[in-house]
Amino acid sequence: KAGVTQTPRYLIKTRGQQVTLSCSPISGHRSVSWYQQTPGQGLQFLFEYFSETQRNKGNFPGRFSGRQFSNSRSEMNVSTLELGDSALYLCASSSRVRGVTGELFFGEGSRLTVL
Amino acid sequence: GENVGLHLPTLSVQEGDNSIINCAYSNSASDYFIWYKQESGKGPQFIIDIRSNMDKRQGQRVTVLLNKTVKHLSLQIAATQPGDSAVYFCADPLTRPNDYKLSFGAGTTVTVRA
Repeated sequence: KAGVTQTPRYLIKTRGQQVTLSCSPISGHRSVSWYQQTPGQGLQFLFEYFSETQRNKGNFPGRFSGRQFSNSRSEMNVSTLELGDSALYLCASSSRVRGVTGELFFGEGSRLTVL
Repeated sequence: GENVGLHLPTLSVQEGDNSIINCAYSNSASDYFIWYKQESGKGPQFIIDIRSNMDKRQGQRVTVLLNKTVKHLSLQIAATQPGDSAVYFCADPLTRPNDYKLSFGAGTTVTVRA
């Protein structure tokens, strides 16, 4: 069974640009969540989607958005990039309908560098 | 704010020795915890979890201890191997209604010396 796939793995952008990151969950998983990982803030929750609906959102500005498609694939978008947005963006998927358990599987992440 | 935090940011261990990674939490209502391992260039990987009705849970070479009195949990790795070099996180699912997120501690980087 294929794991969580994130694309692109690495990308470089400049301030003011926007970026779209993609996540393909494990087949059959309907919950997809996104996390930002930085050396200073650690792992921070961005948002979670289930059946195309955002169920929870973390404390990030409106420049961070996401969506989920009918096939459970998800994208997140960051507009008007700032230097502080440089981070590893991790996607995770789960087959659970409610709650979070160890059955949450992470992808390898998309490493974004903002210059 | 975060509910979980780790005691030491780094831990250096001799190969073959046991490793102990500590984590404290602040929310006495927390009833479930997960430990993750993150190797360089990879996403976090589930190691073991524990519910608050247990004090101890064992896996393959790993044991998690939970002390609800002092709101502390620890991950013990027996006979540490080079492949155990990674960053270890404790996480709290913050299981409230309609919450589907993990609160992660800061992480402890474990380095195994040959």
